[in-house]
This record gives sequence, structure tokens and C-alpha cells, in this order.
Amino acid sequence: GDQVEQSPSALSLHEGTGSALRCNFTTTMRAVQWFRKNSRGSLINLFYLASGTKENGRLKSAFDSKERYSTLHIRDAQLEDSGTYFCAAWTGGYKVVFGSGTRLLVSP
Amino acid sequence: EAAVTQSPRNKVTVTGGNVTLSCRQTNSHNYMYWYRQDTGHGLRLIHYSYGAGNLQIGDVPDGYKATRTTQEDFFLLLELASPSQTSLYFCASSDKGLGGTEQFFGPGTRLTVL
Repeated sequence: GDQVEQSPSALSLHEGTGSALRCNFTTTMRAVQWFRKNSRGSLINLFYLASGTKENGRLKSAFDSKERYSTLHIRDAQLEDSGTYFCAAWTGGYKVVFGSGTRLLVSP
Repeated sequence: EAAVTQSPRNKVTVTGGNVTLSCRQTNSHNYMYWYRQDTGHGLRLIHYSYGAGNLQIGDVPDGYKATRTTQEDFFLLLELASPSQTSLYFCASSDKGLGGTEQFFGPGTRLTVL
């Protein structure tokens, strides 16, 4: 079936450093959304992309439907960036699949 | 600013209990969704609706009913709760159909079935 492989499952960063999260798709997706689950359990929207790249502050996301992947880059990580990051992708119609999440811990 | 609210935020019930989770959105969005999220897993779609009186089945509908009474309000009903339904439930709304535009999520309801 349609699946999303999200990696890494866990990530530790020191303040000021950066890294990338990735979602690989087993089929062509029409759109992808990235969001963060914060310490209170709320889901915060980060990006929605149907193609190309978007940038917002220290975050940047890219989506390549043809190559079947999306990335989320974090630079200059801050303590408040800690949380679990999810990608979600749509194949079309109602079908939406979610990655299993990346637990990010930013430490001083 | 898009707003999706859920109530209650926490609920504990017993096996066989009757539970209703409420969701309200003030975005004037047509689509609303109910998901469950379990530790180590992404969200899974239970039911969704594209308007008042409409209901569509998602990926994991067994044991759940839902009702969309107005454009703003979407309810998830567990008529005979089971421990396997212990989970974190998220409601979401979007302007267009799934994938057409981004979804906005509520704060979640943590349900425990003893």
C-alpha cells in the first residue's frame, strides 16, 4: 500500500546546529505537509507544498513528486524547536499517509 | 487565523462506555477530519466530512461513528469504547478536499479507556 518512510526516527542537535529530515514515498504524491507536535501535544503547521521549495525563517522544505521525497531542513536550531516532526502526503482523493515522526531534541 | 478547538482535552472512560468527542472550526472550511495518533505512529484517518450532514469513511473507521451537524461542528462517537481505542485524537479542517490545501489541526483529545 501507499507508505511514507520518515527518517531519522530520532535526532539530537546542539543549539545553533542544523540538520535535515526526510520523507520518502512509495508512490507519487500530489502534496505534502510538514508539522510539529510541541511539548503540549499541539500540532503546528510548518509547510504545505504541492511542488518546489518553501522557506520560513530557519526552516526550509522541499518536495519532489517525481523523485518521491520531501525534506525539512532546520538551521541554527533553538531549544524551542524540540518536538516531534511529522510529514503527511496525499496521493489524491481522500488518501493521506503520515510518516511515523522524527523526535527532535535540541540541547544547549 | 484558522481556529480548530476540541473538547474535552482529556477523557477517561471504562470499557463499554459511551464517549463523544467534539470539534469546532471557525475557518468556514468545508472539510473536517478525525484522526487518531498512537505512540510511534503517524496519524490515521478515522472519518471525514465535506459538509453538514455528510460523512465519509477513512482508513480506520471500525468502532467509530461520526456526525457533522453544521459546517462548524464535527463529532466523533465511541458507543462501546474498548481499550484499543485509547489514543490521542486530532480533529482538523481544510478548505479544499484532502491534499488540496493544508489542514489545520485542533489541540487534540487524549482518551483513555480502562
